[in-house]
Amino acid sequence: GEDVEQSLFLSVREGDSSVINCTYTDSSSTYLYWYKQEPGAGLQLLTYIFSNMDMKQDQRLTVLLNKKDKHLSLRIADTQTGDSAIYFCAEHGANNLFFGTGTRLTVIP
Amino acid sequence: EAQVTQNPRYLITVTGKKLTVTCSQNMNHEYMSWYRQDPGLGLRQIYYSMNVEVTDKGDVPEGYKVSRKEKRNFPLILESPSPNQTSLYFCASSLAQGEGHGYTFGSGTRLTVV
Repeated sequence: GEDVEQSLFLSVREGDSSVINCTYTDSSSTYLYWYKQEPGAGLQLLTYIFSNMDMKQDQRLTVLLNKKDKHLSLRIADTQTGDSAIYFCAEHGANNLFFGTGTRLTVIP
Repeated sequence: EAQVTQNPRYLITVTGKKLTVTCSQNMNHEYMSWYRQDPGLGLRQIYYSMNVEVTDKGDVPEGYKVSRKEKRNFPLILESPSPNQTSLYFCASSLAQGEGHGYTFGSGTRLTVV
C-alpha cells in the first residue's frame, strides 16, 4: 500500500522559516495535501497541490513538489508561535487518504 | 456551521465493556471515515463508508464495527474494548470519495481502556 514518510520533529526560532518534508510512494496521486493539527484539535486542511504543479504559494505557505523524487515540502515563512502544531502530509489511495506520521513543529520564542 | 461532531471527547472505560463513539456531520457528505491516531504512526483508517448502508474495512478494522443507517451519522462501536485500543480517534467526512475532495475532521475522541 501507500507509504508516506515524514520526520517526527522540527524546532525553529520565531521569525525563521520552517521547512517540513515528506516523501510518498504512489506516483498516481493527483492531489497531495498538508493538514495542520493544533493541540487538542482535529486536523484542518492547510493547503494542497495538484500533481501537475511544481509549486504553490499561499501567503506565508509555499508547497514544493518534486514528482520525480516523490518529495513534497511545506515552507512556512516568518514562523510564529501560533504555527506550533503537528503537520501531516497526505496522498490519496483508492478509498482513503494516507497520512504521514506527522511532524511536530515547535517554535521557540 | 458546517462541522463533524464527535462524542464523547474523552472516555475512560474498562476492558470488555462495550462502547460507542458517535459521529455526526451536517454537510450532507456521502463519504465518512474513522481513523485512529497513535504516536509515531500517524493516522490509520479503521472503517469507511461511501454512502448509506455501504461500509468497508480500512487498514486496522480488527476489534471495531461501524454502521451507516443515515447519511449524517457514522458511529464507531467497540464490542469488547482492549487496552491496545487506547488511542485518539477521529471521524472525518467528505462530499465524495476521490481526489480533490478535502476531508473535514471532528475534534477527536481520546479513549483510554484500562
